[in-house]
Amino acid sequence: QVQLQESGPGLVKPSETLSLTCAVSDSSISSGFYWAWIRQPPGKGLEWIGSIYHTGVTYYNPSLKSRLTMSVDTSKNQFSLKLTSMTAADTAVYYCARTLYDYYFDYWGQGTLITVSS
Amino acid sequence: EIVLTQSPGTLSLSPGERATLSCRASQTVRNNYLGWYQQKPGQAPRFLIYAASSRATGIPDRFSGSGSGTDFTLTISRLEPEDFAVYYCQQYGSSVYTFGQGTKLEI
Repeated sequence: QVQLQESGPGLVKPSETLSLTCAVSDSSISSGFYWAWIRQPPGKGLEWIGSIYHTGVTYYNPSLKSRLTMSVDTSKNQFSLKLTSMTAADTAVYYCARTLYDYYFDYWGQGTLITVSS
Repeated sequence: EIVLTQSPGTLSLSPGERATLSCRASQTVRNNYLGWYQQKPGQAPRFLIYAASSRATGIPDRFSGSGSGTDFTLTISRLEPEDFAVYYCQQYGSSVYTFGQGTKLEI
């Protein structure tokens, strides 16, 4: 059973950069899957943020691309997200997930709430 | 970017009844790369269906998916109390993933 665990600051000030990490266990991050970040504003729907392969290949949501950087650390079996210039609109639960067949999200972390406020 | 529109927004049914949830795409979903997820309050989404009609591992057979092109359906044949939740459809196309806005299935 693949397990994913997000970690992050909880609270970010406006204009600052969000850094999140997703630790993967019971599966190698180099096992041929893409790994993704997805977020959900309070009371709203799901939005895909971006995906990364263990080689470092990335693809990002066009609406976030200018502010987003994803990276992978195979030695620690984890991947990360950096989102710059945070605003209140970025307040959301951020999930990490594994991508099945490149098209679906089959395993999810429990999510971490990130609030943007001064 | 393909927009997914789910209907109805809220569906009120009773245990034992049949639920039919709709997901319509603004363009053809290539190769029917369409998935369904269930989300309960305070929990991460749970993967139910992939490729429009294939059940994910461990998903009960009362859940079924159908459709192709731009029109897709999730059917729950006989509702169990634990099935009341929000359901999302999701598609992949041109290196972008999008989700529908969700259908709330309530008792």
